[in-house]
Amino acid sequence: QKEVEQDPGPLSVPEGAIVSLNCTYSNSAFQYFMWYRQYSRKGPELLMYTYSSGNKEDGRFTAQVDKSSKYISLFIRDSQPSDSATYLCATYNNAGNMLTFGGGTRLMVKP
Amino acid sequence: EPEVTQTPSHQVTQMGQEVILRCVPISNHLYFYWYRQILGQKVEFLVSFYNNEISEKSEIFDDQFSVERPDGSNFTLKIRSTKLEDSAMYFCASSADRGQGGQYFGPGTRLTVT
Repeated sequence: QKEVEQDPGPLSVPEGAIVSLNCTYSNSAFQYFMWYRQYSRKGPELLMYTYSSGNKEDGRFTAQVDKSSKYISLFIRDSQPSDSATYLCATYNNAGNMLTFGGGTRLMVKP
Repeated sequence: EPEVTQTPSHQVTQMGQEVILRCVPISNHLYFYWYRQILGQKVEFLVSFYNNEISEKSEIFDDQFSVERPDGSNFTLKIRSTKLEDSAMYFCASSADRGQGGQYFGPGTRLTVT
């Protein structure tokens, strides 16, 4: 079983839509979860990180963790064409010294 | 805003040659990492480094790879004898804490082995 999984998409939405991006993980010991945005041939850009369960909001972005179902989500409100990118979820291993990434979901926001 | 920088942005080398990829982590960060991403695939962990020692390495990080912090600002990845399958984007990252907060990535070095 893969440790962190994402639907690869692409997910295509109109400008202004609310976007929901999702990720599942297999190891119940994982505690810290991160969302990165990656534009083509660029480095991953840290958007948000959350600890354990619950919600965290930052501007148009909300990250949600449900540890009971091992499910993490990123919501983007009022999506913009500039949000078009690949979104990666990641989590730390138990020792906290490496990140395991999902394969990423490609998002396209159409004007 | 502080950022991780990497040089060169693109490196072309012949199979069997040695390459050194360079990174300048964020200045007050203590934990350093290398990851790679083969085109169209996941970002994969290579190695983490703290207090002048490797703290974790993946199966990919075999004897052909080494890391070094030669001075107070640079962090390097050396591949001793490159193979075709080493062609990938290599990302350096740094973090202030271990296992908390986030890791901040550089723009990457695209390595092409011919």
